[in-house]
Amino acid sequence: DAGVIQSPRHEVTEMGQEVTLRCKPISGHNSLFWYRQTMMRGLELLIYFNNNVPIDDSGMPEDRFSAKMPNASFSTLKIQPSEPRDSAVYFCASTRELGHNEQFFGPGTRLTVL
Amino acid sequence: RKEVEQDPGPFNVPEGATVAFNCTYSNSASQSFFWYRQDCRKEPKLLMSVYSSGNEDGRFTAQLNRASQYISLLIRDSKLSDSATYLCVVNRPTNTGFQKLVFGTGTRLLVSP
Repeated sequence: DAGVIQSPRHEVTEMGQEVTLRCKPISGHNSLFWYRQTMMRGLELLIYFNNNVPIDDSGMPEDRFSAKMPNASFSTLKIQPSEPRDSAVYFCASTRELGHNEQFFGPGTRLTVL
Repeated sequence: RKEVEQDPGPFNVPEGATVAFNCTYSNSASQSFFWYRQDCRKEPKLLMSVYSSGNEDGRFTAQLNRASQYISLLIRDSKLSDSATYLCVVNRPTNTGFQKLVFGTGTRLLVSP
């Protein structure tokens, strides 16, 4: 079975540009999570969805960040406009249901904002 | 203060050595505890859960002390392939009624021949 799929794997963009990261969770998983990882702050939860509904977006750093989950098999994280401090690895993870403890992570998108 | 604190390391050990990592958490409402492993430039993966009574999986032993809010991971007979970053993870309730995972920043282990 395919795991969590993320695209693109690498993104280099210039400050001020819009960036869209994509995620396809594991089929049958009802919960989806977006994380950001940096050396200084580690892995931070940005937002999570349950049955396509956003549950908690308190980790989203600013209004420049937005996330959607239009259906059970697709989610996007958008940054507009991007800034150099947004440079990080962005992971998407899914789990069968909220409260189920094992989260399965995608390979991540390495974002560099120049 | 971070909710989950770990020594970042790196821990440099020779093959065959025993190494232990510690982790503390600040939220006493935390209910479940885990160790995840992350290889360089890869995604985190669940290594093992941590139970109150302590649990073992091959060369790996995890222990929990709820009173001290302290979690440990012991690796015996270290292998080169154990080189990775080990993330301490805590699952705690939120005001949404759901639980969420909180990750430590990780402890890096380097096993050398």
